Amino acid sequence: DADVTQTPRNRITKTGKRIMLECSQTKGHDRMYWYRQDPGLGLRLIYYSFDVKDINKGEISDGYSVSRQAQAKFSLSLESAIPNQTALYFCATSGPGTGNTGELFFGEGSRLTVL
Amino acid sequence: DAKTTQPPSMDCAEGRAANLPCNHSTISGNEYVYWYRQIHSQGPQYIIHGLKNNETNEMASLIITEDRKSSTLILPHATLRDTAVYYCIDPTDSNYQLIWGAGTKLIIKP
Repeated sequence: DADVTQTPRNRITKTGKRIMLECSQTKGHDRMYWYRQDPGLGLRLIYYSFDVKDINKGEISDGYSVSRQAQAKFSLSLESAIPNQTALYFCATSGPGTGNTGELFFGEGSRLTVL
Repeated sequence: DAKTTQPPSMDCAEGRAANLPCNHSTISGNEYVYWYRQIHSQGPQYIIHGLKNNETNEMASLIITEDRKSSTLILPHATLRDTAVYYCIDPTDSNYQLIWGAGTKLIIKP
C-alpha cells in the first residue's frame, strides 16, 4: 500500500460545486503539504501544515481551504470550484528522519476537472 | 519564481550517463540543492540533495561546483525508465519551502 494516499484519484465536477480532496499518510510524518500542478509547469504550493494545530498559506491559497483532522490526515477543499482550478493536485509529507524539510514524499495525485 | 535555471529538454542514449545541469547562482550559504524527478504525471520522487560536497546514492550522483552556483545530476547508466522531468530546486523562503520551476524533460533513447 502507498505511504501517502490521495482520494479521489480523478474527479469531474461542475462550476460552483464544493469539492474535497483527501490525503492520508502512514509515514508518521508531522508535516503535510498540498500542491497544484498545471500542464507543463512545476508544482505550486497551496497550503502546508507542520502539525495538527498549524496551518499556513502557500503561494496560491486563494479559493482553497484545508483541514488537518489528525497527524495523518490533511484535506483540501474548494468551496466553489471554478474552471481554472482544473489541475493535478498532489499531497506530500515530510518529517523527522527525512533529514531536512526538503525531502518530500508525494501521493499519486488527484486529477480534478471543473466544467 | 524559481531560483534555478535548467534546460527545458535533453536526450540521452540508453546505457550512457545522463548529465543534467542546473544553475542556482543566488543560492545562499546554508541552502541545500534538491533534485526530484516526475515520471509522466505521477507524484514527484526525491532523488538526492547536497550542500557543498558531492553526493552519491543508489539513484544518482550530485556534483556541486566549488562556488555553489551550479550543480549537475548524473544518472550513471540511464535506462528507458529514467525518462522523466527532472527538477532542481533551491529552497527559497524563510520556511524553506520548495519553489518548483518547469524542470528538464529527459528522454532516454534506445
